[in-house]
Amino acid sequence: GESVGLHLPTLSVQEGDNSIINCAYSNSASDYFIWYKQESGKGPQFIIDIRSNMDKRQGQRVTVLLNKTVKHLSLQIAATQPGDSAVYFCAESRAGTALIFGKGTTLSVSS
Amino acid sequence: KAGVTQTPRYLIKTRGQQVTLSCSPISGHRSVSWYQQTPGQGLQFLFEYFSETQRNKGNFPGRFSGRQFSNSRSEMNVSTLELGDSALYLCASTSRGPSGANVLTFGAGSRLTVL
Repeated sequence: GESVGLHLPTLSVQEGDNSIINCAYSNSASDYFIWYKQESGKGPQFIIDIRSNMDKRQGQRVTVLLNKTVKHLSLQIAATQPGDSAVYFCAESRAGTALIFGKGTTLSVSS
Repeated sequence: KAGVTQTPRYLIKTRGQQVTLSCSPISGHRSVSWYQQTPGQGLQFLFEYFSETQRNKGNFPGRFSGRQFSNSRSEMNVSTLELGDSALYLCASTSRGPSGANVLTFGAGSRLTVL
């Protein structure tokens, strides 16, 4: 069936570098895309969302890019910090249905 | 504003037993969703409740059930536990995100181990 997936299960970066976490989706009917961060022992935490009619949205140190042509979503984290170490999930939202999550990418930040 | 509260945080059961997990959403939130998280399958949707009515249901067997009370608190029950039910069970309440999406705010989860 259709699902949201991620390109890489793990990503390791140095503190201060920019991180890019990628996600591929298959359903063109999704209305929104959302990024979540899950730290060890906690539930997923909302980072940023983007509507399907937008290409880019920026938050604090994070930017989400949406490429509908190739059905690709990415999360960019500027000046990555050790506190950014976590599992990152992309999710897609369609009206009337539950949020569908991808498998997750584990980001490890070394100082 | 208090977040989503889930109890118990950890529990151990044996095969064949049943378990009830509880969730209190953020005050004022009327929608509660439940997800199962495992290393192999990731986050999978169980069900969603809104104003005491099940609004959506995932692809889980009938052993998994839930309900919501008039104060929006929710419970989920798993009967005849199997080893594969070992997972982190997450509850979330819904609010509108900055772009308009329905954003889930999760609790810390209930870690169920089935022996």
